[in-house]
Amino acid sequence: SQQGEEDPQALSIQEGENATMNCSYKTSINNLQWYRQNSGRGLVHLILIRSNEREKHSGRLRVTLDTSKKSSSLLITASRAADTASYFCASLDNDYKLSFGAGTTVTVRA
Amino acid sequence: GAVVSQHPSWVICKSGTSVKIECRSLDFQATTMFWYRQFPKQSLMLMATSNEGSKATYEQGVEKDKFLINHASLTLSTLTVTSAHPEDSSFYICSARDHGSASGANVLTFGAGSRLTVL
Repeated sequence: SQQGEEDPQALSIQEGENATMNCSYKTSINNLQWYRQNSGRGLVHLILIRSNEREKHSGRLRVTLDTSKKSSSLLITASRAADTASYFCASLDNDYKLSFGAGTTVTVRA
Repeated sequence: GAVVSQHPSWVICKSGTSVKIECRSLDFQATTMFWYRQFPKQSLMLMATSNEGSKATYEQGVEKDKFLINHASLTLSTLTVTSAHPEDSSFYICSARDHGSASGANVLTFGAGSRLTVL
């Protein structure tokens, strides 16, 4: 199957709180990426972490990668209402094929 | 930054008709484009890889005669859903790699998607 697992499937938090979501993948990867999708729209690339990296930061985003467990996490700190969206991890394999996780729907309540 | 334009953004058609969706890279050349399909509240499933000047590579289970892909230029790929039926109703999204960007082949730029409804 192309898809990895993501949890939770849905997350509802208060504005200002942190949101954490996890992703697992199945094959060896070149890198792992996180994308965001607003309802009914295309995907926007958020952050990329290479297979030899363990942690990466970009603004309010923090990504970790554990290749021994084939898992990654995305943390959004100090969430805002505008962060409401679906978040997908995507693993790029050594054939440069991108496979998406099942996604986590995040709702940030004002 | 790289921009991918997808058209139409939504289309409604009658069962049995064919629908063409266009995917254009606006400010870069894309030798490879990707077509994904997304059902409501689900993830993206790769349908096929569109290669400029050659045949598309389809994922297992995707009917190549049903979903015709043409990549005739470095900036345009088209997906034609032939003899569409209600079960083909879905959100179709294209993407492309800008090899000239700092991220290069690692990051995809996505179109805004095309919502197809077959009556």
